[in-house]
Amino acid sequence: DVKVTQSSRYLVKRTGEKVFLECVQDMDHENMFWYRQDPGLGLRLIYFSYDVKMKEKGDIPEGYSVSREKKERFSLILESASTNQTSMYLCASSGGTGDGPDTQYFGPGTRLTVL
Amino acid sequence: GQNIDQPTEMTATEGAIVQINCTYQTSGFNGLFWYQQHAGEAPTFLSYNVLDGLEEKGRFSSFLSRSKGYSYLLLKELQMKDSASYLCAVKDSNYQLIWGAGTKLIIKP
Repeated sequence: DVKVTQSSRYLVKRTGEKVFLECVQDMDHENMFWYRQDPGLGLRLIYFSYDVKMKEKGDIPEGYSVSREKKERFSLILESASTNQTSMYLCASSGGTGDGPDTQYFGPGTRLTVL
Repeated sequence: GQNIDQPTEMTATEGAIVQINCTYQTSGFNGLFWYQQHAGEAPTFLSYNVLDGLEEKGRFSSFLSRSKGYSYLLLKELQMKDSASYLCAVKDSNYQLIWGAGTKLIIKP
């Protein structure tokens, strides 16, 4: 089974702090994604990566950056947290053969609150 | 623009059948996914349709009509554990997933 893990389930930070969210997958997937999920809205793509050291902006990259130094790890960085970044953050990976190469498998999510 | 429409909430009775609809308008189409998401948990993959027709997987089936920009997820013999949100997502011409806001399904005894 694909396993995607995220460093924290719940996180509380203060406005202006730098925040790191870590994601690790164990299935040797090429592709990794960061989304945020807010009530009444669909998942919104922040950044994605198709290879090590490669990154592409999604629909809402402002205020975020990412790092992919190793294939299994994809980090999301909030440079200076703001209250409008309070959300559920979901990491996903894809690239396996089981359910198709584009099927995304999600981590448990990090619920971030910025005070 | 790109748009995925699903009902916000539906209620059904344990043991019954429910159909959750999804209509889409996207720049290109390369497949449609259904995911299940229990409250406070991650979405989990249910089904994938790329050709027209019905795909059956146990109690769950998913239907696609590309000409109508329409899909539905059919859940049979509903169980209390089926109470969850169901997310529809379309893979567009850039092979990116466009997500609907999800349908919250409430199962009553």
